[in-house]
Amino acid sequence: EAGVVQSPRYKIIEKKQPVAFWCNPISGHNTLYWYRQNLGQGPELLIRYENEEAVDDSQLPKDRFSAERLKGVDSTLKIQPAELGDSAVYLCASRGVGTEAFFGQGTRLTVV
Amino acid sequence: KNEVEQSPQNLTAQEGEFITINCSYSVGISALHWLQQHPGGGIVSLFMLSSGKKKHGRLIATINIQEKHSSLHITASHPRDSAVYICAVPLNGGGADGLTFGKGTHLIIQP
Repeated sequence: EAGVVQSPRYKIIEKKQPVAFWCNPISGHNTLYWYRQNLGQGPELLIRYENEEAVDDSQLPKDRFSAERLKGVDSTLKIQPAELGDSAVYLCASRGVGTEAFFGQGTRLTVV
Repeated sequence: KNEVEQSPQNLTAQEGEFITINCSYSVGISALHWLQQHPGGGIVSLFMLSSGKKKHGRLIATINIQEKHSSLHITASHPRDSAVYICAVPLNGGGADGLTFGKGTHLIIQP
C-alpha cells in the first residue's frame, strides 16, 4: 500500500512568489494534517481536515497561506506571496479511524 | 495545550552502545508517538503507545502514564540508526487532534 505522497520534494523560489504543495493521503484516511517544521525544531500543526472540512486552522497564517481538500482526498497548501521566513519543511500526514498518523516525505521549501 | 520536552538534544555514541532517549509531556494523553526523521525530512512512525512497553527489533519504547514520561531505547546501536528521533503527543491530550512534537534528539552512531 502506498504511503502518504507529497510533491514536490524540494522547491526553491524567490520571495514574493507563490508556491503550492500537494499531498495525497493514504486511501481511506479521513483525517489529514499539514505541519511546518523549521530548522532544528519539531513540526507544528498548520491545519487539520476531517474529510473536506478544515476543523482546526488556528495556526494557519491566513494572510498568505491557504489550503483546500477537495472531495476529502488530496490536499494542497499554498503560500502567496512567500516570505524568507517561510523556508521550512512542510509535512503532510493522514490518519484513519483508530490508527496512528502516517507522514509523507515532506516538501523542503527554500525562499531566497 | 500539551508541551513536550525531550532529552538529550544531541547524542553521539559508539556502535553497539545501548541508547536511551527521554520524553516528558505536560497534559494527560491517549497515546504517545515516537518518530524517526532522516536528513531528507521524511518522518517514519516507530511506535504509538498508550501504556507499558512495545518492542520492534532493537527498538524498545516504554511509557509511564502517571509520571507523563516515555523512553525510547535502542539496543546494539548501529550507524544506520543515526537520525533524529522525535516524541509527539496529541495537542490537547487525545482524539484526532494534531500532534505537538518535541524538538527531537539528533543521534549519531559512530562505527
